[in-house]
Amino acid sequence: GESVGLHLPTLSVQEGDNSIINCAYSNSASDYFIWYKQESGKGPQFIIDIRSNMDKRQGQRVTVLLNKTVKHLSLQIAATQPGDSAVYFCAEKDDSWGKFQFGAGTQVVVTP
Amino acid sequence: EAQVTQNPRYLITVTGKKLTVTCSQNMNHEYMSWYRQDPGLGLRQIYYSMNVEVTDKGDVPEGYKVSRKEKRNFPLILESPSPNQTSLYFCASSLRTQAGTTNTGELFFGEGSRLTVL
Repeated sequence: GESVGLHLPTLSVQEGDNSIINCAYSNSASDYFIWYKQESGKGPQFIIDIRSNMDKRQGQRVTVLLNKTVKHLSLQIAATQPGDSAVYFCAEKDDSWGKFQFGAGTQVVVTP
Repeated sequence: EAQVTQNPRYLITVTGKKLTVTCSQNMNHEYMSWYRQDPGLGLRQIYYSMNVEVTDKGDVPEGYKVSRKEKRNFPLILESPSPNQTSLYFCASSLRTQAGTTNTGELFFGEGSRLTVL
């Protein structure tokens, strides 16, 4: 079946620097992409989403970029803070169905 | 407070002993789903429900059952649990996920239920 994958399992970032988390997807029918953050011992929390008719979307300190040509999704976190330490998941969905597919996750560790 | 509530949060059981993990949401969401989370595999969808009395299989439905008799509840049933069902389970809900509507990606997750089958 189709799969969503992440390039790096662990990302170490110095506090104040920008973080970039990458995600590859392979389902060409996916037209909706989402990033989630999961802190230790908690359920995932929605961060930001993007539709396939867009290539960039910005939120508060976060930006999601979508490159449909190479089927690549990234999450950029500006001025990374200790509270950003978590596992980040990308997910994809075909909007005509209720099925979500999540990547394996990237652990972000923010160092002082 | 808007939330998704799962019970139990922790459970140790034995092979073959039927169990149910309950999930309830108070946001009047149409869509609900169950996931299991295993190290290195991320979140895998077990079952989902687009609305009351409508359920569909996700990617890993084997060994699980669900029902959606009312909008707020979506229990996950393990009729005969086996050790390979030892995992961390999450229930999630969303306002709706149909094309052309808003909030189609914002899943609200419960705090998780850690299940161990011996």
